[in-house]
Amino acid sequence: AQSVSQHNHHVILSEAASLELGCNYSYGGTVNLFWYVQYPGQHLQLLLKYFSGDPLVKGIKGFEAEFIKSKFSFNLRKPSVQWSDTAEYFCAVKEGGGADGLTFGKGTHLIIQP
Amino acid sequence: GAVVSQHPSWVICKSGTSVKIECRSLDFQATTMFWYRQFPKQSLMLMATSNEGSKATYEQGVEKDKFLINHASLTLSTLTVTSAHPEDSSFYICSAPTSSGTQYFGPGTRLLVL
Repeated sequence: AQSVSQHNHHVILSEAASLELGCNYSYGGTVNLFWYVQYPGQHLQLLLKYFSGDPLVKGIKGFEAEFIKSKFSFNLRKPSVQWSDTAEYFCAVKEGGGADGLTFGKGTHLIIQP
Repeated sequence: GAVVSQHPSWVICKSGTSVKIECRSLDFQATTMFWYRQFPKQSLMLMATSNEGSKATYEQGVEKDKFLINHASLTLSTLTVTSAHPEDSSFYICSAPTSSGTQYFGPGTRLLVL
C-alpha cells in the first residue's frame, strides 16, 4: 500500500514570508499528485494537480508545486504568503490510470501571522 | 470547478439507530464516488469506492455491513451507517471524479452518536 508523508504538521509564518511544504510518497509507479486546501469551516478545495508533463505545476492563489520523480516528492511552494492562506493543506496521491481513491498525507496546519 | 454536495451537513443520533448520508454530483455525472472518514486533527482515510450499478468496494478494515453504500444513479451515492455507536462519530466526506480524473469533494457530514 502506498503512503504519503507530510513533514511539517504545524507551520507558523509571517505575512510575505516564503512557503514550502514537503510531501513524499511511497508508490514507485505512475502517480497522480494533488494538493488540497481546507480553510476553516470549509470543505476541501483543489489547489493544484500533476498528472504528466511539465513537473512544475501552477495552481490557484499563487501556489505551485514541483514533482521530482527521483525523490518521490511533490512539494508545495508560494513565494509570499498572505494571512488568508491560513488553512490545512493536504497532499494526496493516486496510482495513475485507475479509478482509485486518494491516499492522503496527515496534513499541515499553516498559520500566517499578520 | 465541479460541485459535490452532501446532506445532511451534520446529524446527531442515538446509539443503535441508522443514519443515511447522501452525496450528489451537481453538474457532472460520476460512475464512481468515494467515501472518506476524517477523525479530529487527522487526515482523510478512504473507506470505500461506490460504483454505479454494482457493489461498492471497501478498504481493508472497513465493515461493509456497518457502512452500506448504494450508488443509485450517476449523480447520487448514499452511505448508511447502520446501528451506529459512539465510536462511529466522525466527519464523513465524499468525493466524485470528473472525466479528467480530478476528484472534487463534498462539504462533509459531521456525525455524532450519543
